[in-house]
Amino acid sequence: AQSVTQLGSHVSVSEGALVLLRCNYSSSVPPYLFWYVQYPNQGLQLLLKYTTGATLVKGINGFEAEFKKSETSFHLTKPSAHMSDAAEYFCAVIFSAGNTPLVFGKGTRLSVIA
Amino acid sequence: DSGVTQTPKHLITATGQRVTLRCSPRSGDLSVYWYQQSLDQGLQFLIQYYNGEERAKGNILERFSAQQFPDLHSELNLSSLELGDSALYFCASSVSGQEETQYFGPGTRLLVL
Repeated sequence: AQSVTQLGSHVSVSEGALVLLRCNYSSSVPPYLFWYVQYPNQGLQLLLKYTTGATLVKGINGFEAEFKKSETSFHLTKPSAHMSDAAEYFCAVIFSAGNTPLVFGKGTRLSVIA
Repeated sequence: DSGVTQTPKHLITATGQRVTLRCSPRSGDLSVYWYQQSLDQGLQFLIQYYNGEERAKGNILERFSAQQFPDLHSELNLSSLELGDSALYFCASSVSGQEETQYFGPGTRLLVL
């Protein structure tokens, strides 16, 4: 079955530290990959996406992610965490062309400590 | 602001009742998706419409139904509600229903008592 795995339901980092949120998916065919962020009591906001082309994708708020086909991964990083980055982050995948609903990971809650 | 609107923001009702959730997509978007977010199941796809026609179906219960109207707004109808239906229901829209970005509304929080 097609699945998206986010390692770590909760990640805690210090302000200014590196943020690394992990996402792996189950597919042998390169899918379409997305990261969304959800702030408390709000909807999901797109951070970045990979469809084709360059495997290192830059998004909003200083986040970036790298598509690694051999590792079936799409980890999200940010060099320096800010207090405002505290939120829930979701990795989502469209597994094949023409099959467009998003399959989401369980989410990772990011806490930033002052 | 994604441009996707959902009403109501909150809904409290009793078991056995029926409710209707409404979604207006971004201007120009033809496709609407419904997702359910719950603590135990996470974010799950329910159903997709494109230009008034059902395009894809996910884990949607038979007690739930949806439609997309000629003005492209969509409604999700939930009937014979159970405690376990309490969740956050999101609507998302995209331009053509292909592999492009889906923009999410703020959600409707449903509480079934």
